[in-house]
Amino acid sequence: NAGVTQTPKFQVLKTGQSMTLQCAQDMNHEYMSWYRQDPGMGLRLIHYSVGAGITDQGEVPNGYNVSRSTTEDFPLRLLSAAPSQTSVYFCASRTHRGTLDEQYFGPGTRLTVT
Amino acid sequence: SQQGEEDPQALSIQEGENATMNCSYKTSINNLQWYRQNSGRGLVHLILIRSNEREKHSGRLRVTLDTSKKSSSLLITASRAADTASYFCASGGSNYKLTFGKGTLLTVNP
Repeated sequence: NAGVTQTPKFQVLKTGQSMTLQCAQDMNHEYMSWYRQDPGMGLRLIHYSVGAGITDQGEVPNGYNVSRSTTEDFPLRLLSAAPSQTSVYFCASRTHRGTLDEQYFGPGTRLTVT
Repeated sequence: SQQGEEDPQALSIQEGENATMNCSYKTSINNLQWYRQNSGRGLVHLILIRSNEREKHSGRLRVTLDTSKKSSSLLITASRAADTASYFCASGGSNYKLTFGKGTLLTVNP
């Protein structure tokens, strides 16, 4: 199994541009989520999904969209990039919807918005 | 707002010493988890302790949970240089979300 994969690893955007961060998992996990990690802030939940066709907002959803058309994929879309979205983005998945289960993380995407 | 808060923010020890990190959380949980993050990498799950457990061991790791004080501690015994990393606690409630703290940066000097 490849686990959780994310592309791209690095990205530089200009303010106002849009882009999609890709996330895929091959473990047939029900739950997937996106976090952003900023210095001194830990990980903050952006959006999550408890199964194909079901998504919900996390702690910091503004400026981001998600969809979950398949079990494997959970892309994160930045609609109009802003410098405040400069961060490292992590995708994660776990077997069950509930939290009594370890999460598997992807390697991250480092995004810079100029 | 962040639910878990780790203490200390940074810890520097010598190889062979024990390292203790603490985590506090604010609301009721059904489990608490600890993760490690090496520089520039994703997080890796270390251990999960359920709310009805008080202590759990895994290799050189020992986790305790005190639900009356809403706190947990992670002890790494006989530390090695390879243990150098950031350590995060994450609290899980009855909903679907894990809430992460800000992390403790552990440096183990050879």
